[in-house]
Amino acid sequence: QVQLQESGPGLVKPSETLSLTCTVSGGPITGYYWSWIRQPPGKGLEWLGYIYYSGSTNYSPYLKSRVSISVDMSRDQFSLRLTSVTAADTAVYYCARYDVDYYRFDYWGQGSLVTVSS
Amino acid sequence: QTVVTQEPSLTVSPGGTVTLTCASSTGAVTSGYYANWFQQKPGQAPRALIYSTSNKHSWTPARFSGSLLGGKAALTLSGVQPEDEADYYCLLYYSNAWVFGGGTKLTVL
Repeated sequence: QVQLQESGPGLVKPSETLSLTCTVSGGPITGYYWSWIRQPPGKGLEWLGYIYYSGSTNYSPYLKSRVSISVDMSRDQFSLRLTSVTAADTAVYYCARYDVDYYRFDYWGQGSLVTVSS
Repeated sequence: QTVVTQEPSLTVSPGGTVTLTCASSTGAVTSGYYANWFQQKPGQAPRALIYSTSNKHSWTPARFSGSLLGGKAALTLSGVQPEDEADYYCLLYYSNAWVFGGGTKLTVL
């Protein structure tokens, strides 16, 4: 059973950089895209972007200038960086697997709440 | 900015049938939008239900089905159970980017 687990600071100051890591277990990191999705408190879901295991990326056009995703195959991890954060970036951040062969997002992490506040 | 629109809320009786829809601001939703559907209960991560318009994951209950209906993606629940009360989100594909709908809050009453 594939499992994903987010980790990282729960509190980030305004204007600083949010960094989260997702650890993949129970299945290979190769052959798939790995995605980040967020959900502000009480609101809907927003796709942020994804990275192929080989390193190619696609980002949401609405956040493209601030978001970057990287992968570390040796550790079965991929990471999110979001720069110049504001209170509007406060959200639960989820990592998820994207299977491009079937255009499906299948396995998700439990989510990590990040609050932007001074 | 591309907008994906869902019904904000729907109510259904136990044992009944309900259809949730997902519309795109760019026009009719076709198979090329590879609609995905997710269920989310309070305090939980979303759970994948449907992919590529109408395909079920191995864990998706048989009462859930996906289709295209009147230019929209649709999720139909037949024989609704009390545990189906949840938020439902659709996700559409736009040339290497994905956009979520705003979600539908389904009440079973």
